[in-house]
Amino acid sequence: EVQLVESGGGLVQPGGSLKLSCAASGFSFSGSAIHWVRQASGKGLEWVGRIRSKANSVATTYAASMKGRFTFSRDDSKNTAYLQMSSLKTEDTAIYYCIRHNDFWSGYPLADWGQGTLVTVSS
Amino acid sequence: QSVLTQPASVSGSPGQSITISCTGTTSDIGAYNYVSWYQLHPGKAPKLIVYGVGDRPSGVSNRFSGSKSGNTASLTISGLQTEDEADYYCSSYTRNDTWVFGGGTKVTVL
Repeated sequence: EVQLVESGGGLVQPGGSLKLSCAASGFSFSGSAIHWVRQASGKGLEWVGRIRSKANSVATTYAASMKGRFTFSRDDSKNTAYLQMSSLKTEDTAIYYCIRHNDFWSGYPLADWGQGTLVTVSS
Repeated sequence: QSVLTQPASVSGSPGQSITISCTGTTSDIGAYNYVSWYQLHPGKAPKLIVYGVGDRPSGVSNRFSGSKSGNTASLTISGLQTEDEADYYCSSYTRNDTWVFGGGTKVTVL
């Protein structure tokens, strides 16, 4: 069974940093891309970006609004992906989801989602 | 502002059919048949209900169907049931190798 478990969310002050983790099991993590999507309270889903597998040079792509502040990484030995967020703003307050994706077919859907972790940016 | 445009709300009575539209551009919906639809119930993770424009994952009711014409995709829910009351989001892969979502549609069962 595919499982994705996000952790690391919490309360952080504006301008602060936070690192989220996404622990995966039940599939070939090293061969998969991992996407991040967020949802602010009362708002819609927003694609944050993607980190590809080693076979695709661990390439990263970010949504324009997050480029420069968010950084993806992965540790295939731990089956874990990470989202490092810095210079956080109140508008970054949201539930952050990680999602498994087939790294060799862009048309593959974002089918397997974690339960999400809540990040609150507030003073 | 979301990249894909969806109506804010759609409603219907039990047993009726409703359709949710999702309008994009030639750079996303119009470029590929890589449109997905997600169902969100409060407090739960998004659930994929349609992908590849009109395919359904195993276990998803055939009351959900998808289609596309030009830059607009549509999700139809037939035989509306109370448990279908949820938020629905469309998503598309884009020519920029990114993914975009719609603003979401709240479905109310009257």
